[in-house]
Amino acid sequence: QKEVEQNSGPLSVPEGAIASLNCTYSDRGSQSFFWYRQYSGKSPELIMSIYSNGDKEDGRFTAQLNKASQYVSLLIRDSQPSDSATYLCAAGSARQLTFGSGTQLTVLP
Amino acid sequence: EAQVTQNPRYLITVTGKKLTVTCSQNMNHEYMSWYRQDPGLGLRQIYYSMNVEVTDKGDVPEGYKVSRKEKRNFPLILESPSPNQTSLYFCASSPAMANTGELFFGEGSRLTVL
Repeated sequence: QKEVEQNSGPLSVPEGAIASLNCTYSDRGSQSFFWYRQYSGKSPELIMSIYSNGDKEDGRFTAQLNKASQYVSLLIRDSQPSDSATYLCAAGSARQLTFGSGTQLTVLP
Repeated sequence: EAQVTQNPRYLITVTGKKLTVTCSQNMNHEYMSWYRQDPGLGLRQIYYSMNVEVTDKGDVPEGYKVSRKEKRNFPLILESPSPNQTSLYFCASSPAMANTGELFFGEGSRLTVL
């Protein structure tokens, strides 16, 4: 059974702080890793993808992948109230993706 | 506008009454997939399709059917719905055959089975 584990939270950070979201996965065959953001009552939207070990930065977002530790993380710098959402980690191959249950993030003004 | 469109968005039905949730994408994507989302369980894949006439089971296919007769459409069929199929359903498509995790999601269909 392929599993992706996330701390469900809720995680609260003050505005301007760094939010750190973590995820572990069980399938060593996973080749692709993603972070989706889901606002309450809305559909998930892709914010980051990462395919190789190391860091990948996109604006205020940095994804980190460590395949040896089966660990993926997302850092959000200068957090804004608009970042308040549930963040879903996903891992998989070309055909199938397994999602974690999500971490609820609240950024306090 | 590029989008994935699901219908209906909300549906209340009764046990055993067959229903179909339609999904259509206008982005010419080859890969399409259905997920259900339940509290505490996250998104779970029901079925996926790599191309026209090619479908395969995901993690929770029991009680569901799909078809892919056209590239743009991927309907989800519940032949005999049961209360445990009450859930929020998402259809998604992907442009990249090699990286089908880069998904575009529809707005979701909330289904209640009484």
